Formats: sequence, structure tokens, C-alpha cells
Amino acid sequence: GAVVSQHPSWVICKSGTSVKIECRSLDFQATTMFWYRQFPKQSLMLMATSNEGSKATYEQGVEKDKFLINHASLTLSTLTVTSAHPEDSSFYICSARPRRVYNEQFFGPGTRLTVL
Amino acid sequence: AQSVTQLDSQVPVFEEAPVELRCNYSSSVSVYLFWYVQYPNQGLQLLLKYLSGSTLVKGINGFEAEFNKSQTSFHLRKPSVHISDTAEYFCAVSNAANFGNEKLTFGTGTRLTIIP
Repeated sequence: GAVVSQHPSWVICKSGTSVKIECRSLDFQATTMFWYRQFPKQSLMLMATSNEGSKATYEQGVEKDKFLINHASLTLSTLTVTSAHPEDSSFYICSARPRRVYNEQFFGPGTRLTVL
Repeated sequence: AQSVTQLDSQVPVFEEAPVELRCNYSSSVSVYLFWYVQYPNQGLQLLLKYLSGSTLVKGINGFEAEFNKSQTSFHLRKPSVHISDTAEYFCAVSNAANFGNEKLTFGTGTRLTIIP
């Protein structure tokens, strides 16, 4: 149980286009979802926290107009990278916390974004 | 704010030998501590966590970790490793006071390679 999926697993896009990444909790309801970014050989950096039905809370230095997060249901959160540029190329990972379960997040497999 | 240091970026170990992966943290408040494992092309999986109580925590796959408050460490150990333990290991910390908003701060990870 507690499976989190991400789609797509990898994506290549042209500079200036927008890319949407989906994060789904397959067998549980997730009241909170987290979005992380991971650069090669670096740690995961939290980008934002989203709670179902409310606006996401972004970490300092993360542009909310560039990285649009929507948590429209208890099983789906989306991250849209708007007007992507090569410096946005990275590995994006989501995690989900089940309702009434604290101090444990279940992670998705990640999405590799390459912007040409 | 918290920070996590994993001094060893790569650790090669012979099969069936013991291993210790080091993790030190810095925080001005009480913390919860976690170890995650990431296999190639997969998401992060929780190995074990320390929330309170006994400082020796046992996790999955034969791993254990010991919380040492005075040394601000949470080293991960396994007495005998297997080829299947080859993976990336991440130490993470969260603020124990932020119940319900458990943002994780990750270390840079340690690549454990098991040598046959």
C-alpha cells in the first residue's frame, strides 16, 4: 500500500514551453503533498507544500508564478513549470502524506525534466 | 532551521561486510530523524525513523540507526550487507514542533556500492 505515482517519468521540452507533472496517491487519500527538486549529486530541496483545496505554500526563493502547484483532489497534485528554460532542467519528486498519518511521507518515482 | 550533513558521498563495501553511513544534523529545536533509500529509477522508501523513545531504531532490510543527541548524529548501520543494498541513502530531519507540517530537510545522500 501507500503507492505514489508520477507522470511523466521523463520529459523533454523546448525552451519557453510549459510542462505539467502529475503526482497521484494510488491507494490512499493525501491531505498534504510536497514537491521537491533534486539536482545531480545534490539533496532534495523542498519547493512547496500543498494541502488539498488550498493554495500551496512555497519555500523561500521558489517562484510561485513559475512553478504552479494545484492540489485539486485528495489523490492528485500537479506541478506546472511555466515558460521553462534550460536552468529548470532537474529531477522533480513529489511525496504525499496520508490523512491522519503524521511524520511519514510516501514518495513518487520522480520526473526527469530536460529543457532544450 | 535545520541542516543535515552526510560526509560520505560514496561508500564501497564488500558483500557480507558491515557498513555505517554517517549523518550529522544541526538544529536549534527538537527534531525527528529519518533515513530513506532510493534504488535506481525509483522513489524514496523509508528505512526507519526516530521520533522519540529508544535511541536505537530498527528498520527494514536489517538496518538500524542510533540517535545520539550529544553528538547530533543519526548514523545508519547494517551488520552484513548484500548486493541488493546497492542504492542511494538519504538522511533527513524535520522540526518536531511542527506537528502536521513535517517539512523534511535532506542531506546530500550517500551512494552505497556493494562489491561482490
